[in-house]
Amino acid sequence: KAGVTQTPRYLIKTRGQQVTLSCSPISGHRSVSWYQQTPGQGLQFLFEYFSETQRNKGNFPGRFSGRQFSNSRSEMNVSTLELGDSALYLCASSLAAHSPLHFGNGTRLTVT
Amino acid sequence: GENVEQHPSTLSVQEGDSAVIKCTYSDSASNYFPWYKQELGKRPQLIIDIRSNVGEKKDQRIAVTLNKTAKHFSLHITETQPEDSAVYFCAASLYNQGGKLIFGQGTELSVKP
Repeated sequence: KAGVTQTPRYLIKTRGQQVTLSCSPISGHRSVSWYQQTPGQGLQFLFEYFSETQRNKGNFPGRFSGRQFSNSRSEMNVSTLELGDSALYLCASSLAAHSPLHFGNGTRLTVT
Repeated sequence: GENVEQHPSTLSVQEGDSAVIKCTYSDSASNYFPWYKQELGKRPQLIIDIRSNVGEKKDQRIAVTLNKTAKHFSLHITETQPEDSAVYFCAASLYNQGGKLIFGQGTELSVKP
């Protein structure tokens, strides 16, 4: 079974731009969560989607948004990029609530 | 909100020794505690997890213990090998917040041959 797939792997943007990241969960997994990983803040929860509905949200500004499609694929959008948004963005999927999370390889976003 | 503290931040052991990483969580309602291993440049991978109705769980050289009263859980790796070198993260979640894991800051484990 294929793992969690994230595209693109690397992205370079300039301040003020916006970006969309994509995540395809493991087949059959209906829950998709997004995390931001930085050296200073570690792994921080952004949001979780289940059956196209946002189920949980972390403490990030409204510039960070996401959605989930009927096939469980998810996208994350960051608008008006700031230098501090440079990070590894990880997507994780799980079969159901309280099932283990399986992470993708992440998208490395660099904002210049 | 929920907070997870992890110690130590770095740990260096000789091959064959044991390694112990400790985490403390703040929300007594947390009931799921996974541990992830992240090698350099790779994704976090689940190595073991424990639920609040269990005090200890073991999988070969890896074990996790949970003390709900103290809100404390630990990862134990025995007979360490160089390939155990990685960053280890503990996490906690609440029953009604499935995909929302609160992670500790990570422990960089170095196993010297």
